[in-house]
Order: sequence, then C-alpha cells, then structure tokens
Amino acid sequence: AQSVTQPDIHITVSEGASLELRCNYSYGATPYLFWYVQSPGQGLQLLLKYFSGDTLVQGIKGFEAEFKRSQSSFNLRKPSVHWSDAAEYFCAVGQPGGNEKLTFGTGTRLTIIP
Amino acid sequence: KAGVTQTPRYLIKTRGQQVTLSCSPISGHRSVSWYQQTPGQGLQFLFEYFSETQRNKGNFPGRFSGRQFSNSRSEMNVSTLELGDSALYLCASRGTSGGAGETQYFGPGTRLLVL
Repeated sequence: AQSVTQPDIHITVSEGASLELRCNYSYGATPYLFWYVQSPGQGLQLLLKYFSGDTLVQGIKGFEAEFKRSQSSFNLRKPSVHWSDAAEYFCAVGQPGGNEKLTFGTGTRLTIIP
Repeated sequence: KAGVTQTPRYLIKTRGQQVTLSCSPISGHRSVSWYQQTPGQGLQFLFEYFSETQRNKGNFPGRFSGRQFSNSRSEMNVSTLELGDSALYLCASRGTSGGAGETQYFGPGTRLLVL
C-alpha cells in the first residue's frame, strides 16, 4: 500500500529565509504527487503536482518541488518565505490508473518569525 | 467557477445522534471524495462517489455512509455519533473522468463537534 512520510511535524523559519519541507513516499512505481496547503480553519489548496516529465515542478505562491525517484522524495521548496506562508503543508500521493483516493502525510506546520 | 461548497460549516451534536453533511462540487465535476481530518489521525479517506456510484471506500465503520445525486451533489451521513467522530470533514471534487491524475479541489470543510 502506498504511504507518505513527512518527517518534520513543525518547522520555524524567519521571514525572508529559504524553506524546504520534506516528503518521502512508499509506492511500487512512480505515483502522482501533490503538495497542499491548509490555513487555519480552511480547506486544502493545491500548491503543485507531479505526474511525469520534468522532475522540478513549479507551483503557485512561488513554491517548487523536486521529484527524486532514487530517494522516493518530493520535497517542497521556497527561496524566500513570507509571513503569509504560515500554514500547514501536506504531501499526498495518488495511484496512477488505480485507486482514486489520495493518501496524505501527517503534515508539517510552518511558523514564520519576523 | 464557484469552488466546492460545504454545508453546514459548523455543527454540534451529542453522542448517539446522527448527522448529515452536504457537499456541492465544482460545476461539471462528477467525482466527490470525503475525508476526515483529526489531530490524531490526520487526513483519512472516507469514500468517493462518481456518477452516483460509490467507487472507493476507506476503512471506516458502516456508521459512515454517503450518496451522490444526479447533479453530483453529495451527502455524507454519520449515524450513532461517537465522541471520536469530532473532526473536520472535507469534501473534494474532481473533474470529468475523476481519475487519479486529476486534481482534487477541496471545500472549506464542516467542523463537527460531538459532545
């Protein structure tokens, strides 16, 4: 069965600093990969997704993620964070051609300090 | 296009009661999925409906059920509520084919508190 691990429960960064959120997945082939963001009291918003092709994916709000097959990772990055980026971030995997559900990681809470 | 809407946004019930939550997908979307989000278990898949048929189901007890109408709107019902059912219930809709490669768009959720 597919699974997702987000090893960092909580990360604190200074405004303007760079950010990397880690995501590792377990799946027999290349899955569909997603990053979602959730602000307090809100639903989930898609930041970016990877299906195939170029392993560096650009998303909204200045985020990008890189798929590394050898490491089974799909880490999210942003070169300079803004206070409005404070939220919870979820990595998710989907199974191509099969089960349509998404499997989510446990999330990483991002705190931004001025 | 309007996004995914969920009603009600907040709900308080007592143990033993039942509850029905509603989800209206993005216009034209035929797939609706439901997720439960709790601090302890995170986001867990409940079930998915596509063209009025349940296509997929997660590992939840039979107290959790759902349905989808011909206009793609979906309802989720929880009977005999337990304290542990307190959660944010998220609905997500997906496009015309509803395949795994299509992006799921999430609603704001219904926060259920069971007392």
